Amino acid sequence: GEDVEQSLFLSVREGDSSVINCTYTDSSSTYLYWYKQEPGAGLQLLTYIFSNMDMKQDQRLTVLLNKKDKHLSLRIADTQTGDSAIYFCAERGTDKLIFGTGTRLQVFP
Amino acid sequence: GAVVSQHPSWVICKSGTSVKIECRSLDFQATTMFWYRQFPKQSLMLMATSNEGSKATYEQGVEKDKFLINHASLTLSTLTVTSAHPEDSSFYICSARLWTGIDEQYFGPGTRLTVT
Repeated sequence: GEDVEQSLFLSVREGDSSVINCTYTDSSSTYLYWYKQEPGAGLQLLTYIFSNMDMKQDQRLTVLLNKKDKHLSLRIADTQTGDSAIYFCAERGTDKLIFGTGTRLQVFP
Repeated sequence: GAVVSQHPSWVICKSGTSVKIECRSLDFQATTMFWYRQFPKQSLMLMATSNEGSKATYEQGVEKDKFLINHASLTLSTLTVTSAHPEDSSFYICSARLWTGIDEQYFGPGTRLTVT
């Protein structure tokens, strides 16, 4: 089945690194994505990774993929207050995206 | 680039009336758009896939006669909530697919519907 799970909440101090984790079950997914949602807004695509990659870095964002364990993580370096939002991972199922439960990131000074 | 708009951003309607929500891709053409529903503090639930020039594909459990989808052009899809009830109150988000070598979806800002 298709099921994507995330921890619900993460709180970090400004300047520290944040690591948001995601587990998925569909091993045939070709792409995995990270989206950011600010309050009352739609989703913003942050980054994605191909299933044949282990790691992808994009400025402050680092995505790690452990395909054996079906585990995906997003690391945000030097976390800022503007990073406070809900982060969704998503896998590409059969012609549609399957979203995780979302992780609320709170950044405190 | 790759901007998607939704209109209205919020709407309040009375039970029994119908409400139309528009989703537009502003700077690209989208043969496929998606409609999602999001309950407070929950993830997105895919309601239907909207294909330009053909009938929408609805997810299991979504009433197609209640949630009418029309994708009349490559830049516009509409969702009409017919005979709205308070339980239809939710945040509705659309997205438009853009193929850039990978399958990317760009999301609209969402529409908050409140049915009284």
